[in-house]
This record gives sequence, structure tokens and C-alpha cells, in this order.
Amino acid sequence: AQKITQTQPGMFVQEKEAVTLDCTYDTSDPSYGLFWYKQPSSGEMIFLIYQGSYDQQNATEGRYSLNFQKARKSANLVISASQLGDSAMYFCAMRALMDTGRRALTFGSGTRLQVQP
Amino acid sequence: KAGVTQTPRYLIKTRGQQVTLSCSPISGHRSVSWYQQTPGQGLQFLFEYFSETQRNKGNFPGRFSGRQFSNSRSEMNVSTLELGDSALYLCASSLVHSSGRFQETQYFGPGTRLLVL
Repeated sequence: AQKITQTQPGMFVQEKEAVTLDCTYDTSDPSYGLFWYKQPSSGEMIFLIYQGSYDQQNATEGRYSLNFQKARKSANLVISASQLGDSAMYFCAMRALMDTGRRALTFGSGTRLQVQP
Repeated sequence: KAGVTQTPRYLIKTRGQQVTLSCSPISGHRSVSWYQQTPGQGLQFLFEYFSETQRNKGNFPGRFSGRQFSNSRSEMNVSTLELGDSALYLCASSLVHSSGRFQETQYFGPGTRLLVL
């Protein structure tokens, strides 16, 4: 079965500094996808970045980059130049094969990031 | 392009009642998935629909059901509500290419907050 682990329940970062949110995963599916989503207090899940298991290069989207270390099964999110609007809950997720033979998203428990002025 | 929309946004029901939630995917997206988010269990996959058929199902009791219409809009139904069904219900849509390949990234709606009293 697939599993996503986020070991940091909460993080603080100063505005304009970079921050790394940790994520490790486990799956026996060789073809999986890794995602990061942001969830503000309003509740909507906002897609940030995606990394495929066969992608050779780390994904980047603006201020977001995904540090993908396949051998260590980690997919950390790096946010550069933090902004006050980055304060939110961040979820790591993986799309991989379930026992049903189909793929579905499994989410980690989330990290609450607070950006301080 | 409009995002995923969900109605209603908030709902209060009592134990034993049933509820129907609605989701309209992003225009052109034909796969719709549903998730339940609770403080205790986190985000959990409920089911996925494509071409009016349930394509995948998570580990939830039969009280949870869904359907998809020909215009890709989806509804989920919870019968005989229990206190533990109080949650944020999130719908997500993704693109299915003409080749039949499912796009990895899912885009979420704002969710429906259900409170069961």
C-alpha cells in the first residue's frame, strides 16, 4: 500500500526567506506521481507542483521547486522568498496504484506554514 | 476558464438524514474524484468517475455513493448520516486525453462543509 509521511506539523519562516517542507513516500508502483497542494483557511486545495517518477529533473514552478530524491523516496517542497500569503496548510500527495488496480491520490497529514513579517 | 465548482458550500444535517453534494468539473475535464477531509483521518479518497462510470473506489461504507452525468457533472450521496460524516468534501477534476490517458494533475473545488448534528 502507498504511504505519504510529512513529519513537520508546523513550520515558521521569516518573510523573504526560503523554506523546505519535508515529504517521504512509499509505494511499490514504479509509475507514480508526486504533488504538492496548498490549502488556505478557506479550504480549497490549490495545486502547486507535480513530479513524475520517471522525470529526471526536479520540477519547478515559479517560487516552488520540488527536491526529488528517488532513491531516498523523498519529495521535499522548497519555497523561495516566502511571502505572507504563503501562510497555509501544505499537503504532499502521491498518485499510485491502489489494491483496486487503479491509481488514486494519497495525502500526507500536512504541514502548517506560518510566514512571519 | 472557470474552476471546479461545488454546491452547496455549507450544509447542516441531522443524524439519519441523507445528503447530496454536487460538483461541476472544469470545462473539458471528464474525470471527477471525491475526497473526504476530517481532522482525525485527514484527506481520504472516496471515488472516481469517468464516462458516467465509477472507475475507482476508496475504503468507505456503502452509505457513500456517487454518480456522474453525461456532461461530466457529478453528485455524491451519503445516506443515514452519522456524526462522523461531518467533514469537508472536496471534488477534483482532471483531463482525459483523446488517447484515453488520464492526466496526472487533479484540480480541486472549494469544497462542501457538512456538519451532522
